[in-house]
Amino acid sequence: AQSVTQPDIHITVSEGASLELRCNYSYGATPYLFWYVQSPGQGLQLLLKYFSGDTLVQGIKGFEAEFKRSQSSFNLRKPSVHWSDAAEYFCAVGPRSGGGADGLTFGKGTHLIIQP
Amino acid sequence: DTAVSQTPKYLVTQMGNDKSIKCEQNLGHDTMYWYKQDSKKFLKIMFSYNNKELIINETVPNRFSPKSPDKAHLNLHINSLELGDSAVYFCASSQEAGNYGYTFGSGTRLTVV
Repeated sequence: AQSVTQPDIHITVSEGASLELRCNYSYGATPYLFWYVQSPGQGLQLLLKYFSGDTLVQGIKGFEAEFKRSQSSFNLRKPSVHWSDAAEYFCAVGPRSGGGADGLTFGKGTHLIIQP
Repeated sequence: DTAVSQTPKYLVTQMGNDKSIKCEQNLGHDTMYWYKQDSKKFLKIMFSYNNKELIINETVPNRFSPKSPDKAHLNLHINSLELGDSAVYFCASSQEAGNYGYTFGSGTRLTVV
């Protein structure tokens, strides 16, 4: 069965510092990969996605993520965080085939705290 | 215009009641979903609908029933509500019944007392 692991439940970063959120997945084949952000009391917003091609993908709000097949990882990075980045971040995977809407499998999320 | 809209945003109800949550998308997407987010923020898919057909039905109680009157709407009806049903329910949609990125609604916080 597919699974997504986000090993860090909470991460605290100083404003202006760099950020890396980890994501590892277990899947039968290379899936589609996503990062979503959820601000308090809000829905989920897509930050970026990887389907194929360049393994470094750029997203919104200055985020990027790198797909590493050998490590089954899709880590999210940002060179300089802003206080407004404080939120819950979810990594998710979905199948490349299946002929139907199999849905996304989400990790349990990483809560990002920004220190002034 | 909101791409995926859910109503109501908050719902407080007593055990044993029946309630519905509505979802509408104006993106022209082919597939719609319902996800449940528990108190620990874990997201799990409940249902998806593609062209008015149920594609997957995870192991959720049969008290939960999705209803899709047309491609733009997927409502969630819950019978005999239980305390454990308290959660945030998210509607989402995607294009081409695939995984080209989902657009989520803002959620419905259901509290059963």
